[in-house]
Amino acid sequence: GEDVEQSLFLSVREGDSSVINCTYTDSSSTYLYWYKQEPGAGLQLLTYIFSNMDMKQDQRLTVLLNKKDKHLSLRIADTQTGDSAIYFCAEKRNTDKLIFGTGTRLQVFP
Amino acid sequence: EAQVTQNPRYLITVTGKKLTVTCSQNMNHEYMSWYRQDPGLGLRQIYYSMNVEVTDKGDVPEGYKVSRKEKRNFPLILESPSPNQTSLYFCASRRTGSTNEKLFFGSGTQLSVL
Repeated sequence: GEDVEQSLFLSVREGDSSVINCTYTDSSSTYLYWYKQEPGAGLQLLTYIFSNMDMKQDQRLTVLLNKKDKHLSLRIADTQTGDSAIYFCAEKRNTDKLIFGTGTRLQVFP
Repeated sequence: EAQVTQNPRYLITVTGKKLTVTCSQNMNHEYMSWYRQDPGLGLRQIYYSMNVEVTDKGDVPEGYKVSRKEKRNFPLILESPSPNQTSLYFCASRRTGSTNEKLFFGSGTQLSVL
């Protein structure tokens, strides 16, 4: 179907790296996104990658895209307690439709 | 400040009592959309609107109505709410100028239908 899959939970120690994974289904997706949802708030765009790129780095964030396996990942270096949130990947399809993943709850402990 | 404003933030109601969740954006965006967020299911699109007087069904439109009489407002209407519509609802908006326009979200409306 249209599923964009993510693992539900990830727990990391402060200062370590976090890697959040996502698998999507449509090989014709044009853009792939990572959104962050803090408690009691809406989603905010963190970063995105165009489908013809393999990697994008933005300060502590690194996005890796494996088009062959339809796998997207978000690496957060030096994870802080303020990074605790739910992270959603999303794929934009040729129809201009945005399909969201199931969300990964990241918990950072001291 | 550019924002998408939803009201109310929290709503508890009973089965069958009509309700409206309002959404307003101040960015002159053409596109607006409603999503519901449920545990383990992520965000699913209910309805969207490409511009004034143009609305289309998303993935889960059953039991919902929308209207887009003005560019800034996109209310979500539940004519006869049922318990399976208990969820966290988000309104979002963006421009339609290019293929990679950023989507702006409201803060959400937590609805409980008893």
